Amino acid sequence: QMQLVQSGPEVKKPGTSVKVSCKASGFTFTSSAMQWVRQARGQRLEWIGWIVVGSGNTNYAQKFQERVTITRDMSTSTAYMELSSLRSEDTAVYYCAGTSGWYGSDAFDIWGQGTMVTVSS
Amino acid sequence: QSVLTQPPSASGTPGQRVTISCSGSSSNIGSNTVNWYQQLPGTAPKLLIYSNNQRPSGVPDRFSGSKSGTSASLAISGLQSEDEADYYCAAWDDSLNGGVFGGGTKLTVL
Repeated sequence: QMQLVQSGPEVKKPGTSVKVSCKASGFTFTSSAMQWVRQARGQRLEWIGWIVVGSGNTNYAQKFQERVTITRDMSTSTAYMELSSLRSEDTAVYYCAGTSGWYGSDAFDIWGQGTMVTVSS
Repeated sequence: QSVLTQPPSASGTPGQRVTISCSGSSSNIGSNTVNWYQQLPGTAPKLLIYSNNQRPSGVPDRFSGSKSGTSASLAISGLQSEDEADYYCAAWDDSLNGGVFGGGTKLTVL
């Protein structure tokens, strides 16, 4: 079945970086787009950015423009999201989501299980 | 503050029909399609409605979406206890050149 499996929880100190991975299976990764979304405890979903897997083109939310890098490795069907200069406000669950292609280019129908990132000194 | 505005809460009794609104602007809903996501407690979001009013395979026809101008709505008919969840609208914003979500609406089935 179509699925995305994310890497495990992370605990980071302020000022450092975190890199979360998202491995795809069961659908054509190279034809998809992958977005990253985060959700602080009890808060709303927040869009971070996305990558068109085939071309490698990316778009980032203005809020994260200076600190985030989204990449992909087509040989392993894995997408990555790296966030630098971490602060306590970055503590959240980070989700990757992909398009299977069945429902349009911006309808993300496959979601990872989420990765908890905790930033604490 | 979210670019897309949703009511923070909604409620209904089993069997009732409930609607959730999503208000945006000409740069997002006014010029792009709207998707809706359902997030059950403790789980990842799930695509519920795409392209304003289309249901992915497996989503019951009790769920429907609509869009008019710079606003969109999600309707749930025949409300069931398992519909208790958070619902988010989402769209692309041409001015921000990025995706935007609504603030989410927590649906309670009384």
